[in-house]
Amino acid sequence: EIQMTQSPSSLSASVGDRVTITCRASQTISKFLNWYQQKPGKAPKLLIYDASSLQSGVPSRFSGSGSGTDFTLTISSLQPEDFATYYCQQSYSTRTFGQGTKVEVK
Amino acid sequence: QVQLLQSGAEVKKPGSSVKVSCKASGGTFNTYSISWVRQAPGQGLEWMGRIIVILGSGNYAQKFQDRVTITADKSTSTAYMELSSLRSEDTAMYYCAREVAGQVTKDAFDMWGQGTMVTVSS
Repeated sequence: EIQMTQSPSSLSASVGDRVTITCRASQTISKFLNWYQQKPGKAPKLLIYDASSLQSGVPSRFSGSGSGTDFTLTISSLQPEDFATYYCQQSYSTRTFGQGTKVEVK
Repeated sequence: QVQLLQSGAEVKKPGSSVKVSCKASGGTFNTYSISWVRQAPGQGLEWMGRIIVILGSGNYAQKFQDRVTITADKSTSTAYMELSSLRSEDTAMYYCAREVAGQVTKDAFDMWGQGTMVTVSS
């Protein structure tokens, strides 16, 4: 099974900050990488699919990049509603998730 | 309105089994793959397995291969996840999530159920 490693595990940031989360796959997964946001007590929500495509209805401050083994989720200007946990997930083979990155208030 | 509606919370004894349902309303169930993802309290997301509805077959994570069975009933647009030999470590929220063939998001979980809490306790 493909292992997904996110970094950092948590970060502290302020409203307006640019935030970057990375995700590394244990083997190449082409562009088959998705990003989700999860808030406490809620189901995850799809943000980015196929590494860089923005899901319908998701604000444009979210963007994704990368291919092969290394991927990045960027929030260009953090908003109050963006404090949450973010997960990457590969769909190249049997699905696996990263361990999550919690974005907290600084 | 397209949604995935899961069955209610369960409390089970160690060693028993649990079966959770996920009913799809709206959409074309035959185009779905339904995965099951669990989340232990305070922990991350863990993919358990999936069923490709039109094929009636799927695959499982190695960790759960011996204990989980995922099925789908096309007549009621409902997917099921049965987990056997329950232990306390299986206490978690269990989510169903769909991938839809033919959509641009075909390899992503674009819709999730609301979750079903399963508690394993003696």
